[in-house]
Amino acid sequence: QKEVEQNSGPLSVPEGAIASLNCTYSDRGSQSFFWYRQYSGKSPELIMFIYSNGDKEDGRFTAQLNKASQYVSLLIRDSQPSDSATYLCAVNMGGNNRLAFGKGNQVVVIP
Amino acid sequence: SQTIHQWPATLVQPVGSPLSLECTVEGTSNPNLYWYRQAAGRGLQLLFYSVGIGQISSEVPQNLSASRPQDRQFILSSKKLLLSDSGFYLCAGARDVPYEQYFGPGTRLTVT
Repeated sequence: QKEVEQNSGPLSVPEGAIASLNCTYSDRGSQSFFWYRQYSGKSPELIMFIYSNGDKEDGRFTAQLNKASQYVSLLIRDSQPSDSATYLCAVNMGGNNRLAFGKGNQVVVIP
Repeated sequence: SQTIHQWPATLVQPVGSPLSLECTVEGTSNPNLYWYRQAAGRGLQLLFYSVGIGQISSEVPQNLSASRPQDRQFILSSKKLLLSDSGFYLCAGARDVPYEQYFGPGTRLTVT
């Protein structure tokens, strides 16, 4: 089983709609979870992190964590064309704080 | 907040040539440092990580090596490049709980 799995993409959403991305992880002992955004040809940039069950909101982004079911999700509200990118889910796998990354989900926001 | 610098931004090297990529960190001390490779259309592969000067952990056996000669300097090297070494090389740093990683701008390496 892969450490971090993300839905196969790409995800096309109309401008103004909600984009929903999901991520599952295998290590039940994982404590910290991260979402990164990566524009084509650029390096990943951190959007937000979460480590408590429930929701965490930051602007138009909401991260949701369910440790019992071992999944973390990202909602992008009022999607904008500038949100078109690949979104990477990352999970802290313990030890010296290595992160395991999913392969990413491409989001395309259609004007 | 920390800033990760990498150079060069792009590099084209022939098969069999050596490689040296440098990463430096600004704005923090004693960070954890990481080298990743991202092949075209694929996810991030962790190559090496370091928790301090001279301390290197290798994640994938291959013809690459890493060194950390100073607290805020991390170097990725190879004696002889292979075609399969082509990719986007990213350096990242992390400091303090929850150890979120911040990435440098990356080096795009093409081995011909």
